[in-house]
Amino acid sequence: GAVVSQHPSRVICKSGTSVKIECRSLDFQATTMFWYRQFPKQSLMLMATSNEGSKATYEQGVEKDKFLINHASLTLSTLTVTSAHPEDSSFYICSAPRSPGNQPQHFGDGTRLSIL
Amino acid sequence: RKEVEQDPGPFNVPEGATVAFNCTYSNSASQSFFWYRQDCRKEPKLLMSVYSSGNEDGRFTAQLNRASQYISLLIRDSKLSDSATYLCVVSRGPNTDKLIFGTGTRLQVFP
Repeated sequence: GAVVSQHPSRVICKSGTSVKIECRSLDFQATTMFWYRQFPKQSLMLMATSNEGSKATYEQGVEKDKFLINHASLTLSTLTVTSAHPEDSSFYICSAPRSPGNQPQHFGDGTRLSIL
Repeated sequence: RKEVEQDPGPFNVPEGATVAFNCTYSNSASQSFFWYRQDCRKEPKLLMSVYSSGNEDGRFTAQLNRASQYISLLIRDSKLSDSATYLCVVSRGPNTDKLIFGTGTRLQVFP
């Protein structure tokens, strides 16, 4: 069964809306989670590393004020796409290693975001 | 140069065929290597880790050449259910959980 749960799986909303995506580790504690974005026919691109109890670290070119990450507990990280626009439409997916340095990682089911 | 490069394909092969995918990576400090499988509009699923000595899992064989920074995946006796995109995945460097994904190679197995 799934060990990382992501919700919602699908979002369609109007431009300017803020959208929150949740990523939960179900049977383990995740001090670190990763957020990726995948545009059609492209690879998954790492957006940011979510760190429990501290600030997220963002990859170059990813706006931290646009993509707010909160990792308030050992089993939950949230990604909020603020004031979303059509160019933010993408497949967002989270992952978590069962323990630090423990590869491979468990992926959530992904969230398909469509901004009209 | 991309950090992880793959031939996007598609590779169209008949059932029962043997097919091989290649991947190159640019960071010589990478320590962990994987092949993931991604079905259309789904999350990637781990197919297998890749070890320096090469490893096999049923019909799937993975090889790693650190000197050439090259990874391969061989699929024998292809099944219709093998149709998917195969992602070459490399850790960004040593002591990190950050993963770098290739764009994937599309495989289509036909009857």
